[in-house]
Amino acid sequence: GQQLNQSPQSMFIQEGEDVSMNCTSSSIFNTWLWYKQDPGEGPVLLIALYKAGELTSNGRLTAQFGITRKDSFLNISASIPSDVGIYFCAGITQGGSEKLVFGKGTKLTVNP
Amino acid sequence: DTEVTQTPKHLVMGMTNKKSLKCEQHMGHRAMYWYKQKAKKPPELMFVYSYEKLSINESVPSRFSPECPNSSLLNLHLHALQPEDSALYLCASSLAGGETQYFGPGTRLLVL
Repeated sequence: GQQLNQSPQSMFIQEGEDVSMNCTSSSIFNTWLWYKQDPGEGPVLLIALYKAGELTSNGRLTAQFGITRKDSFLNISASIPSDVGIYFCAGITQGGSEKLVFGKGTKLTVNP
Repeated sequence: DTEVTQTPKHLVMGMTNKKSLKCEQHMGHRAMYWYKQKAKKPPELMFVYSYEKLSINESVPSRFSPECPNSSLLNLHLHALQPEDSALYLCASSLAGGETQYFGPGTRLLVL
């Protein structure tokens, strides 16, 4: 079945550093989504990408939809302690499937 | 407003109890979802309702029974659960099936 390969699995960084994580797939996706999840809470949508090659920013976050529609990256600039959490990429396949395909998540730890 | 609400926040139940989880959204979304999430894993899809009709059941045991009374509400009825059913239960909604999904805060369920 379809799957998203998300890397890295975990990251330990110092406050102020930039962060980059990515997701790749052998399948084509119509939409890429990036979520952040805090412990015991639901995933919060950070950025949604709809067009191949699209580059979108949301504050210190920047994400891009790969030109082949098979990959995406998320960058966080100047990290702060509240960036701690698990970041999931998710894709919606062509044809508008009701099922989201999730990556396994990147756990981010920020040391003050 | 991109808010999905869920009640209760926490639930402890015995294996013979009957309980219900509730989800509500007032964004005019016509697709609603139930997910189950175990620690350190991505959410797993359980059910999808599209225009108040069950469109996907991911082979979920019958001790979980979904209900969609109207376009804004989604319930998950629980009966005779097992300890392995303990997890974070997430509700999500989207404008229609195949669109960007917005998650609620979740219900943390513990089955004793």
